[in-house]
Amino acid sequence: EVQLLESGGALVQPGGSLRLSCAASGFTFSSCAMSWVRQAPGKGLEWVSVISGSGDSTYYADSAKGRFTISRDNSKNTLHLQMNSLRAEDTAIYYCAKVMVTNAYGPVDFWGQGTLVTVS
Amino acid sequence: DIVMTQSPDSLAVSLGERATINCKSSQSVLYSSNNKNYLTWYQQKPGQPPKLLIYWASTRESGVPDRFSGSGSGTDFTLTISSLQAEDVAVYYCQQHYSIPFTFGQGTKLEIK
Repeated sequence: EVQLLESGGALVQPGGSLRLSCAASGFTFSSCAMSWVRQAPGKGLEWVSVISGSGDSTYYADSAKGRFTISRDNSKNTLHLQMNSLRAEDTAIYYCAKVMVTNAYGPVDFWGQGTLVTVS
Repeated sequence: DIVMTQSPDSLAVSLGERATINCKSSQSVLYSSNNKNYLTWYQQKPGQPPKLLIYWASTRESGVPDRFSGSGSGTDFTLTISSLQAEDVAVYYCQQHYSIPFTFGQGTKLEIK
């Protein structure tokens, strides 16, 4: 059974930093790209970042570029999102998401329950 | 960036009736080398994460009821629920994963009439 368990969400002041983690199990982690998607309170889904299965390729939304860094540890089946220079508009639930394919260009086929980041 | 526009924003349908949600991309999401449309549909119920329904525009995910179907190619796509059930009340999103950034539609809220 696929499981994605996010952690690290918290209340942080503007300008602060936070590191989100996602522990994955139930599938071959290194064979799947992984993504972060966020959802502001009462709003729609916003794609944030994706990393290939090997970790060699990373891509970001403009809103995250230069401030957020996605990374993965395939030996520990863990995905991370380092978020710096946080702004009020980064307040959202952050979902860890498993991509169906190894490269970044595929559909998400499983989502974690999310972790709440509040910047205030 | 590819802009994804869903219509309508909200929809009320009677139980057992058909529900149709449209999604239009500002440029084609059809990858010519493999003839796949990089378009996915998700369902999100209140307080839950999204769930995959349809990928490659028309392939139903395992376990998804066959009343859900996806169609379209290039820039115009449709999600159809053939006979609405009470448990289908949700917000539905389309997403393109053809080019970075992988943009979502704004969502369509589906309710029971």
